[in-house]
Amino acid sequence: AQSVTQPDIHITVSEGASLELRCNYSYGATPYLFWYVQSPGQGLQLLLKYFSGDTLVQGIKGFEAEFKRSQSSFNLRKPSVHWSDAAEYFCAVGRYSGGGADGLTFGKGTHLIIQP
Amino acid sequence: EAGVTQFPSHSVIEKGQTVTLRCDPISGHDNLYWYRRVMGKEIKFLLHFVKESKQDESGMPNNRFLAERTGGTYSTLKVQPAELEDSGVYFCASSRLAERNEQFFGPGTRLTVL
Repeated sequence: AQSVTQPDIHITVSEGASLELRCNYSYGATPYLFWYVQSPGQGLQLLLKYFSGDTLVQGIKGFEAEFKRSQSSFNLRKPSVHWSDAAEYFCAVGRYSGGGADGLTFGKGTHLIIQP
Repeated sequence: EAGVTQFPSHSVIEKGQTVTLRCDPISGHDNLYWYRRVMGKEIKFLLHFVKESKQDESGMPNNRFLAERTGGTYSTLKVQPAELEDSGVYFCASSRLAERNEQFFGPGTRLTVL
């Protein structure tokens, strides 16, 4: 069975500093990988996704993630965080079967706190 | 284009009562998913509709949960009778049939069972 691990429950970063959120997955084949963000009172918003090809993926809001097969990781990065980035971030893995896109498997999430 | 909407945003019920949650997917999205997040835990997949058919309901916790999608448009998730452990946030997501895995999520319904 597939699984996702986000080892950091909370991360505190100063505004303007760089950010890296960790994600490790377990899956038997090449996974579809996602990062979602949830701001208070909002639904989950897709930041970026990886299906195949270039292992460095660019997303919205200045985020990027790198797929490393050898480490089973898909870490999220941003060079300079803004106070508005404070939210909860979820890494997820999915797969596609003949019947359509399957349900996603999520990590437990990482709360990002921005210090002024 | 309107996003995925869910109703109600919050629901507080007593143990043993029945609650029905509704999800309206993005227009034209044939895939519809239900997920649940219990406090302190990860978001877990419940089930997947393709149009009006249940594609995968392996995540449904037990037979107190019933999901329907009549006509392949909106979906309802009924919990009957509700138990304390059903409390959590229920998310709905939708996607186009041809766009694998790019799921758009609604804001969720927070269910509290007392």
